[in-house]
Amino acid sequence: DVKVTQSSRYLVKRTGEKVFLECVQDMDHENMFWYRQDPGLGLRLIYFSYDVKMKEKGDIPEGYSVSREKKERFSLILESASTNQTSMYLCASSGQTVINTEAFFGQGTRLTVV
Amino acid sequence: GNSVTQMEGPVTLSEEAFLTINCTYTATGYPSLFWYVQYPGEGLQLLLKATKADDKGSNKGFEATYRKETTSFHLEKGSVQVSDSAVYFCALVKTGTASKLTFGTGTRLQVTL
Repeated sequence: DVKVTQSSRYLVKRTGEKVFLECVQDMDHENMFWYRQDPGLGLRLIYFSYDVKMKEKGDIPEGYSVSREKKERFSLILESASTNQTSMYLCASSGQTVINTEAFFGQGTRLTVV
Repeated sequence: GNSVTQMEGPVTLSEEAFLTINCTYTATGYPSLFWYVQYPGEGLQLLLKATKADDKGSNKGFEATYRKETTSFHLEKGSVQVSDSAVYFCALVKTGTASKLTFGTGTRLQVTL
């Protein structure tokens, strides 16, 4: 069965902490994505990666960075967490194009910054 | 830029009622269109898709037709069940950058007995 696994379902962090959200896929997909989901705003793309060590900014990259050292793993980093980064974070992966290969999503990580 | 507009929720229906969730889009070129569903406590799953004008996507009794003239991709189901209660997201893929999905804000559907 196809799997995108996010390391944590729930996280609580303090303001100013460095936070790592991990995502692993087992489908040998080239593309991986990080979205955040907020009520009334839908899903917004933070960053995506189309190959190992390659990354591209999405619509809301400020305050975030990413790392993709291996094809199956894509990490989202909050360099200094702030309360406005409290949100649901969703990781996804897909093949060469979403048109021909559906995007698979992880279960999500609900992050609370206090 | 590209955008997707969905009807506001929540939508509350009785079991066996007819469902329509409206979705319109703004995009250059010829985007592909998708409906994703998010059941409580789970990630998003692809429900159906359409890649060109007049295509009809269908799955699990749900249907949506890609209408280029009205830039719409409305989701319909003839008879909803309690198990259809979820959040539904309309999305598009920008032509030429096939990987990046743009989502609508989502519509919560609640089906009661």
